[in-house]
Amino acid sequence: DQQVKQNSPSLSVQEGRISILNCDYTNSMFDYFLWYKKYPAEGPTFLISISSIKDKNEDGRFTVFLNKSAKHLSLHIVPSQPGDSAVYFCAASVNNNDMRFGAGTRLTVKP
Amino acid sequence: DAGVIQSPRHEVTEMGQEVTLRCKPISGHDYLFWYRQTMMRGLELLIYFNNNVPIDDSGMPEDRFSAKMPNASFSTLKIQPSEPRDSAVYFCASSLNRYAEAFFGQGTRLTVV
Repeated sequence: DQQVKQNSPSLSVQEGRISILNCDYTNSMFDYFLWYKKYPAEGPTFLISISSIKDKNEDGRFTVFLNKSAKHLSLHIVPSQPGDSAVYFCAASVNNNDMRFGAGTRLTVKP
Repeated sequence: DAGVIQSPRHEVTEMGQEVTLRCKPISGHDYLFWYRQTMMRGLELLIYFNNNVPIDDSGMPEDRFSAKMPNASFSTLKIQPSEPRDSAVYFCASSLNRYAEAFFGQGTRLTVV
């Protein structure tokens, strides 16, 4: 039962352009959403989060948007840099008790 | 703090053998999570603990899998007997409390042949 879905397994973007990573969820009880970034042979690292009381959270080049009615969130990276190339996981939880992850999207930023 | 520490980093074992994965969470973190990463399903939550007590083990795939947390600084995930389909990267993560983000270990890559 995949409650968090990332339907795009991969995304390729030119350096300097915007990267948009998408995530959909099915459980309307989720109230906290996170994005993790993973490099090869390393564990995922926290990137940015948003609670359900907000619809946008920004941290430098990274912005997460939440559309609760559509059960959809997205991560925008502007401008994209080659060092952003990694696998990005979307995660969702209820009170951060039980975090569920999507399958990940591999982002490649080309110089 | 050195972060979440997992051992071993790599494990190759034969089908039918017992495998034990180990995790040391960040000191002071009340929550500990075990995840499994596969190409097909991404990161799956197997089980998580709060203050050493298992809260939700619904993600544990079969009775062959078991996890323990005998104290606040140590947890194990055991597979007995192991099967080739158990081959994956297993991550341990810990968080300070229910509102904080989780910090992941580097993972254990398990290969069952």
